[in-house]
Amino acid sequence: DIQLTQSPSSLAASVGDRVTITCRASQSTSIYLSWYQHKPGKAPKVLIYAASSLQSEVPSRFSGSGSGTDFTLTISSLQPEDFATYYCQQSHTSPYTFGQGTKLEIK
Amino acid sequence: QVQLQQWGAGLLKPSETLSLTCAVFGGSFSGYYWSWIRQPPGKGLEWIGEINRSGNTNYIPSLKSRVTISVDTSKNQFSLNLSSVTAADTAVYYCARRVHFHGYHFDYWGQGALVTVSS
Repeated sequence: DIQLTQSPSSLAASVGDRVTITCRASQSTSIYLSWYQHKPGKAPKVLIYAASSLQSEVPSRFSGSGSGTDFTLTISSLQPEDFATYYCQQSHTSPYTFGQGTKLEIK
Repeated sequence: QVQLQQWGAGLLKPSETLSLTCAVFGGSFSGYYWSWIRQPPGKGLEWIGEINRSGNTNYIPSLKSRVTISVDTSKNQFSLNLSSVTAADTAVYYCARRVHFHGYHFDYWGQGALVTVSS
């Protein structure tokens, strides 16, 4: 199985901050890496797919980059509604796996 | 607008079978893979398996012996059965649509259903 390791596991930041979360894969996933935002009691929501494509209706402050084994999710200017847990996920090889999550909290 | 609506029993005893169904409203049922994903309390997301309209399935190896995912194309529904459950199967279970092109990501999700296994 492809293991995905996110860093950091948790992060405290302020509204307006620029935040970067990284995801490292145990083997290449090409560009088949997605990012999800998950809030308590809600279903996960896809933000970025194919490493860098912005899902429809997702604000442009979210961006993704990378290929192969190293990927990043960047939020350019944190908004109050962005405090959540973020997961990376690979669809290159079954079983499709998720990172352990990064909990983004208010400083 | 695509919507996934899921339902099933929320409280099970050890050794019973978990059964959940997900109905798809709006959009095409063809051309996608239909997945089940779970999240145990305090843990991350785990993909369980998927099925397409033709009935082709793909399961996570660790659950393969206990999992069956089926599809009813006449109702645009798909179902999850997980046999011989234990407390370790306690989780919020989500159904989700996986795009089968450019990204292969999960773009629509059900609302989630908490399934608790307890004696």
